[in-house]
Amino acid sequence: DAKTTQPPSMDCAEGRAANLPCNHSTISGNEYVYWYRQIHSQGPQYIIHGLKNNETNEMASLIITEDRKSSTLILPHATLRDTAVYYCIVRANTGANSKLTFGKGITLSVRP
Amino acid sequence: DVKVTQSSRYLVKRTGEKVFLECVQDMDHENMFWYRQDPGLGLRLIYFSYDVKMKEKGDIPEGYSVSREKKERFSLILESASTNQTSMYLCASRMGGPMSNEQFFGPGTRLTVL
Repeated sequence: DAKTTQPPSMDCAEGRAANLPCNHSTISGNEYVYWYRQIHSQGPQYIIHGLKNNETNEMASLIITEDRKSSTLILPHATLRDTAVYYCIVRANTGANSKLTFGKGITLSVRP
Repeated sequence: DVKVTQSSRYLVKRTGEKVFLECVQDMDHENMFWYRQDPGLGLRLIYFSYDVKMKEKGDIPEGYSVSREKKERFSLILESASTNQTSMYLCASRMGGPMSNEQFFGPGTRLTVL
């Protein structure tokens, strides 16, 4: 699976949009971009995933660049409960046993 | 709702002891995973299993073994616990097939080896 690069941390004000960047310049054509987050003392939680089109669900939006070498996770109205470590992962969906490889993630701190 | 449960939230063991960490999922998922999480290192995959009695090494399998005798249960075994295995251990499960997307995690077991 391709490697991802994320800044170690960022913060944003409550109520504002949080834009979390991720670089995955070696992504291959069959690899999806996944985002998970981990709130303190809990297991990671799935947020969203995409291949090449932008995606949106009730939690977030995922914007993938046209060349697919980078993506941005957008939390449109961040709340204090969104403070967590966010992991960007690329994974091929081919093969029943393909696995997620987590990096160090980005720590998002939402301030009041 | 999918539920992944782990046998203990906190565990304290002595060096040299044999340690069993149990994970059970209730959604008939084919794939199950064991990770450990350490400060500054993120989550690292120890072993995974994509079917009963099947297992594959992850990125850091040394010092660990696993057992998958039933589909719903995936056990992580530390044959002889050492202090460098003090860590948070996370189990996860995922449906099989190429279109399976979401991986569900348990709450974690914080293991301390003295």
